Amino acid sequence: GDSVTQMEGPVTLSEEAFLTINCTYTATGYPSLFWYVQYPGEGLQLLLKATKADDKGSNKGFEATYRKETTSFHLEKGSVQVSDSAVYFCALSVQNQGGKLIFGQGTELSVKP
Amino acid sequence: NAGVTQTPKFQVLKTGQSMTLQCAQDMNHNSMYWYRQDPGMGLRLIYYSASEGTTDKGEVPNGYNVSRLNKREFSLRLESAAPSQTSVYFCASSETVWGYGYTFGSGTRLTVV
Repeated sequence: GDSVTQMEGPVTLSEEAFLTINCTYTATGYPSLFWYVQYPGEGLQLLLKATKADDKGSNKGFEATYRKETTSFHLEKGSVQVSDSAVYFCALSVQNQGGKLIFGQGTELSVKP
Repeated sequence: NAGVTQTPKFQVLKTGQSMTLQCAQDMNHNSMYWYRQDPGMGLRLIYYSASEGTTDKGEVPNGYNVSRLNKREFSLRLESAAPSQTSVYFCASSETVWGYGYTFGSGTRLTVV
């Protein structure tokens, strides 16, 4: 079945460090890919998305590129801030399945000043 | 503000009690979803409604029932709560269009003792 695998956390970085959170997927169809962010005590918010191979999604300094050949959608940011501390979820949805999202297990990021 | 509204935000139940979690969206979305979030397991789909008048089981439907009351509202019912249902529950909605992500509610934190 369809699935998403993320690198395990927690990830702890110093402010201004470079961030990579790995995400790989398995899908029977041609998926759309998403990154969601969850700040403490809140629901999930869409961070960025990509709908076809080689697309790059970007938002708030975060980027991720849809790599079909490696079935990956790694999240990157060049310089993290304390305010980026949150849990990040990679997800996919496949056409003709009601738009259902399948989530990875989440990666907790903690940024220290 | 437009979005997804969940009630209640917190609830404590005794084993065997029943309750209904309410969810409403005002974005005219066709599809609605119920997820549960548990530590280290990401979000798991309980039930979803691809359109008004339809509901389908997700990954973990046992112990739950749902009702799509109208296009705006999608409720989740626990008929006889068990400690294993202690979790954070999220409702979400989306357009039934491939490539669109979800809008999430802020969650209901349920504890069953």
